[in-house]
Amino acid sequence: KAGVTQTPRYLIKTRGQQVTLSCSPISGHRSVSWYQQTPGQGLQFLFEYFSETQRNKGNFPGRFSGRQFSNSRSEMNVSTLELGDSALYLCASSLISGATLGEQFFGPGTRLTVL
Amino acid sequence: GIQVEQSPPDLILQEGANSTLRCNFSDSVNNLQWFHQNPWGQLINLFYIPSGTKQNGRLSATTVATERYSLLYISSSQTTDSGVYFCAVLTGANNLFFGTGTRLTVIP
Repeated sequence: KAGVTQTPRYLIKTRGQQVTLSCSPISGHRSVSWYQQTPGQGLQFLFEYFSETQRNKGNFPGRFSGRQFSNSRSEMNVSTLELGDSALYLCASSLISGATLGEQFFGPGTRLTVL
Repeated sequence: GIQVEQSPPDLILQEGANSTLRCNFSDSVNNLQWFHQNPWGQLINLFYIPSGTKQNGRLSATTVATERYSLLYISSSQTTDSGVYFCAVLTGANNLFFGTGTRLTVIP
């Protein structure tokens, strides 16, 4: 069974631009979560999608948004990029969500550099 | 929010040595996972362990949920064990809170 895939793997943008990252979960997994990893703040939860609905959101500004499609693939968008958005963005998929929490499996990440 | 603390922050071992990494959390959790992050950033699942003890080869983990801690044991360490080890806890919502990690360096 294929793992979680993320595209692109590396991205360089300039301040003020916007970016879209993509995540395809493990087949059969319906929950996709996004995380940001920076040297200063560590790994932080951004949001979780399940059945095309955002179920949970971390403490990030509205410039960070996401969506999930009917095939469970998810995209994350960051608008008006700032230097501090430079980070490794990881997505994770899990089989179940809600009352019973499932083990999360991570993709390889997208490394975003904002110049 | 919940606090997740890991110790030690850094650990240097001679190849073949054993080690114990600790994860303390400040509140009740529904589940706990241990990960190894490789040099390319990939988080590799080690254990999904809400309670009890699990073993996988040279690695084992124990979670005592009532006392809010988990331990990761690495025996007969190898240079390929180097990297950062994270524990992460799941609370009522399906999102992980990560510890700050333990950076392990195994020298030959």
